[in-house]
Amino acid sequence: GDSVTQMEGPVTLSEEAFLTINCTYTATGYPSLFWYVQYPGEGLQLLLKATKADDKGSNKGFEATYRKETTSFHLEKGSVQVSDSAVYFCALSNDYKLSFGAGTTVTVRA
Amino acid sequence: NAGVMQNPRHLVRRRGQEARLRCSPMKGHSHVYWYRQLPEEGLKFMVYLQKENIIDESGMPKERFSAEFPKEGPSILRIQQVVRGDSAAYFCASSPAGTANTGELFFGEGSRLTVL
Repeated sequence: GDSVTQMEGPVTLSEEAFLTINCTYTATGYPSLFWYVQYPGEGLQLLLKATKADDKGSNKGFEATYRKETTSFHLEKGSVQVSDSAVYFCALSNDYKLSFGAGTTVTVRA
Repeated sequence: NAGVMQNPRHLVRRRGQEARLRCSPMKGHSHVYWYRQLPEEGLKFMVYLQKENIIDESGMPKERFSAEFPKEGPSILRIQQVVRGDSAAYFCASSPAGTANTGELFFGEGSRLTVL
């Protein structure tokens, strides 16, 4: 079945550091790929998505590229801020079901 | 503009009791999904409902668990005779009609169930 494996946390960074969270997937067919983020005290919200191979999703300075050859969708941000502290979830969808990774907790210190 | 509202946020039950978790979707959303997150794991799909219809309950345990989304009122996830293994965070999500296959869901903050 479909599955997502993402980098274990927690990750602690200083402000303006570079962030990478690795995500790989196993799926049948051609899934769409997502990064969801959960800020403290809030529900998960969609951060970015990519629907086909080589697509790049981007939002709020975050980027991720759909790599079919390596079945990966790594999340990157060049310069993090304290406000980026959150739990990040990689996910894929086949039809209406989402399959999530376990989440990576990121803490950015001033 | 309220988002997806779940309550209670935290619920403690003893083994054998019943747990009821409620979810009000975003205004204008007619599709509701329930996901469960066990400790150290990702969210797992449980059930997909539209108003008065269960579309897919393939992720829900066959016994003790049920879900509904009535014509009026919130969606309810009901767990009867809870056991310790039911301790988890239960997330509700919603989407507008016609977008179910996009994977773009709006999630609530989750309800954390602890079974003593």
